[in-house]
Amino acid sequence: SQTIHQWPATLVQPVGSPLSLECTVEGTSNPNLYWYRQAAGRGLQLLFYSVGIGQISSEVPQNLSASRPQDRQFILSSKKLLLSDSGFYLCAWSVLGKKNSYEQYFGPGTRLTVT
Amino acid sequence: AQSVAQPEDQVNVAEGNPLTVKCTYSVSGNPYLFWYVQYPNRGLQFLLKYITGDNLVKGSYGFEAEFNKSQTSFHLKKPSALVSDSALYFCAVRDGTGNQFYFGTGTSLTVIP
Repeated sequence: SQTIHQWPATLVQPVGSPLSLECTVEGTSNPNLYWYRQAAGRGLQLLFYSVGIGQISSEVPQNLSASRPQDRQFILSSKKLLLSDSGFYLCAWSVLGKKNSYEQYFGPGTRLTVT
Repeated sequence: AQSVAQPEDQVNVAEGNPLTVKCTYSVSGNPYLFWYVQYPNRGLQFLLKYITGDNLVKGSYGFEAEFNKSQTSFHLKKPSALVSDSALYFCAVRDGTGNQFYFGTGTSLTVIP
């Protein structure tokens, strides 16, 4: 079965510090990968998605970046955090066209607080 | 452009009563529709989906949803609500060829004992 991991679960970082959040998927190959941010426990904002290694699409211009160094690894980074980067970050994966697919599956999330 | 609307920020229902959480969508082409549930400080959990076939789809925890093409709706329903159903519910759509999912703003469901 497929599983998705995110770490860390919780992070408190000062303004101006760097950020690295990691997401890995097991049990599937060539998934689409996604990073979302959820502010104030409500709507999801798509930040980045990737359809393959090294292929990143950015949805919102900001001081965050994403990379996909391996097929099942997706990393969210920042060189200098802003207060507005605080939120709940969710990684997700999906495939298209296979049995029992189409939907997204989400990781447990990372709660980031920028102080 | 693809979009999803959840017109109710909050739905309250008494335990044991039927519940409905509303969702309407706009998508070019055939829609793939989904419902997710989120408990506090957790990731979203997949509940059910409509891809093709029967308009009434059944999912996890006794939830079901009805696809209505003419009304472009995909309302989530459950015949008898439980207190443990209290959570945040998201409707989402994916167009048939795209890689992106479009989420509604979420509906907070509270089941009152």
